[in-house]
Amino acid sequence: GAGVSQSPSNKVTEKGKDVELRCDPISGHTALYWYRQSLGQGLEFLIYFQGNSAPDKSGLPSDRFSAERTGGSVSTLTIQRTQQEDSAVYLCASSLDPSEQPQHFGDGTRLSIL
Amino acid sequence: DAKTTQPPSMDCAEGRAANLPCNHSTISGNEYVYWYRQIHSQGPQYIIHGLKNNETNEMASLIITEDRKSSTLILPHATLRDTAVYYCIVRVAINNDMRFGAGTRLTVKP
Repeated sequence: GAGVSQSPSNKVTEKGKDVELRCDPISGHTALYWYRQSLGQGLEFLIYFQGNSAPDKSGLPSDRFSAERTGGSVSTLTIQRTQQEDSAVYLCASSLDPSEQPQHFGDGTRLSIL
Repeated sequence: DAKTTQPPSMDCAEGRAANLPCNHSTISGNEYVYWYRQIHSQGPQYIIHGLKNNETNEMASLIITEDRKSSTLILPHATLRDTAVYYCIVRVAINNDMRFGAGTRLTVKP
């Protein structure tokens, strides 16, 4: 079946602009996660959604970052007033529920801030 | 979550078994062992996970020692396409995020 889909695959924008990144999770997966991966680095957790519960925003690096998940499916990560240090690959993952079931990742959005 | 230790790099001959070790000596009873791999410019790919029993699927086998302080991922017949960075992660099931370390860069050679 279809995996986690992210769009766009690449995004280049100027410093100070806002960007929106989209994630379509695997159908039926109730848990959705956003991570970012800087060049040569490990994954950094950003935010987690589970069903209708309040999201865990503990990983968001600043108030310029926000995310929403509409209808329990598609999620959008928004970065306002982008800075050069925001350049990274933003990865989305989904899983069946917050149990031992593994997270399945998309191929990410590569964000470059000029 | 418990910390994991993996060798930074390994080589394997094409067609041979690749055995990737992971130490997790501080693992607790409710923590699972997960293995992922990441090929350049792609997202992490789930391979296998387990709690205390050995596991096998179409991609690999996971061998967990009886004391659970270490594990080995086995790719039975490595191909060139198995060249990737392999991550061993220990995680409590109810935790929200996966903590990826530096992993092992496996290079499969012809």
